[in-house]
Amino acid sequence: KAGVTQTPRYLIKTRGQQVTLSCSPISGHRSVSWYQQTPGQGLQFLFEYFSETQRNKGNFPGRFSGRQFSNSRSEMNVSTLELGDSALYLCASSLIRDARPLNTQYFGPGTRLTVL
Amino acid sequence: DAKTTQPTSMDCAEGRAANLPCNHSTISGNEYVYWYRQIHSQGPQYIIHGLKNNETNEMASLIITEDRKSSTLILPHATLRDTAVYYCIVRVGSGGGADGLTFGKGTHLIIQP
Repeated sequence: KAGVTQTPRYLIKTRGQQVTLSCSPISGHRSVSWYQQTPGQGLQFLFEYFSETQRNKGNFPGRFSGRQFSNSRSEMNVSTLELGDSALYLCASSLIRDARPLNTQYFGPGTRLTVL
Repeated sequence: DAKTTQPTSMDCAEGRAANLPCNHSTISGNEYVYWYRQIHSQGPQYIIHGLKNNETNEMASLIITEDRKSSTLILPHATLRDTAVYYCIVRVGSGGGADGLTFGKGTHLIIQP
């Protein structure tokens, strides 16, 4: 079974631009979560989706948004990029049980975003 | 979620068992102990989780004390590829809140040749 895939793997943008990152979960996994990892803040939760609805959101500004499609694939968007948005963006997927996502999460390789 | 405490770093000789401790004295009855690891520049990898009983899979064993206030992850025959940051996370089995998985600083395990 294929793992979680993320595209692109690397991205360079300039301040003020916007970016869209894509995540394809493991087949059969309907929950997708996004995390940001920086050297200073570590791994921080961005948001979680299942059944095409955002279920939980971390403490990030509204410039960070996401969505999930009917096939469980997910995208996240960052608008008006700032230098501090340079980070590794990770996507994780999990199964749903009793309408709740399991906390056994499987991570993709991440997208390395550099903002110049 | 219950707070966890892990050593900042540990060394282990290649081929020996690596024993990584985690303290979680405020764990609740319905919270599991999860272990993940992150090899440099890769996404975190799920290793194992348990509630009360000891667990073993192809990657590792998890030993949870009877009072559930601490646990130990055991890599039975460590290899250089096991060098990574290991995270101990305490969380309910499903759902559980608005903050996703909470990764602390973890333990940087270095396997020495």
